[in-house]
Amino acid sequence: GAVVSQHPSRVICKSGTSVKIECRSLDFQATTMFWYRQFPKQSLMLMATSNEGSKATYEQGVEKDKFLINHASLTLSTLTVTSAHPEDSSFYICSARDPRTGARTEAFFGQGTRLTVV
Amino acid sequence: AQTVTQSQPEMSVQEAETVTLSCTYDTSESDYYLFWYKQPPSRQMILVIRQEAYKQQNATENRFSVNFQKAAKSFSLKISDSQLGDAAMYFCAYSSGSRLTFGEGTQLTVNP
Repeated sequence: GAVVSQHPSRVICKSGTSVKIECRSLDFQATTMFWYRQFPKQSLMLMATSNEGSKATYEQGVEKDKFLINHASLTLSTLTVTSAHPEDSSFYICSARDPRTGARTEAFFGQGTRLTVV
Repeated sequence: AQTVTQSQPEMSVQEAETVTLSCTYDTSESDYYLFWYKQPPSRQMILVIRQEAYKQQNATENRFSVNFQKAAKSFSLKISDSQLGDAAMYFCAYSSGSRLTFGEGTQLTVNP
């Protein structure tokens, strides 16, 4: 089945630095990818929709300049947390759907990235 | 906007017993899809079961089945013969386009 790979799985960074998280679709071309943030024992909160070749669409309340999204190819989307602060520490998950099958099939999720800002 | 509600933050079940997780949703769409995802301690999201709204027959996948009540906008998940490996956070999700809307989740504990 289709697979989405996310890297790194864990990252610790110093406050004020930037961190890049990659999300790759391995056996299908994803024109759209989704980035979520998840706090402990809570649901997935959609942060933004990444669109290949165009600007990402951010959800209300999500800072565009803080969470930079780039979808430069049909198999890769990146999320960069800029000038990270401890409150940005969280679990970040990406997902994508095979565009050939669309809404009626499952979304495939990356393994997630646990970000810790110290 | 579509919303998904899971009213049971936590549930527990004895091994080999049956448990039902509740989910309700709100939408004005007529064509949509519903899913149950499982998130074990590894935090990898895993699809458990899906249901197309236009199908009246309830979906089943081995020990997992749903009770889909379209008029009531209800989509519950029944787990039969519960196993220790079923312990996880379960999320109900709705989709009418490319994006998913998730419920708050239900933490399922399976007692040996």
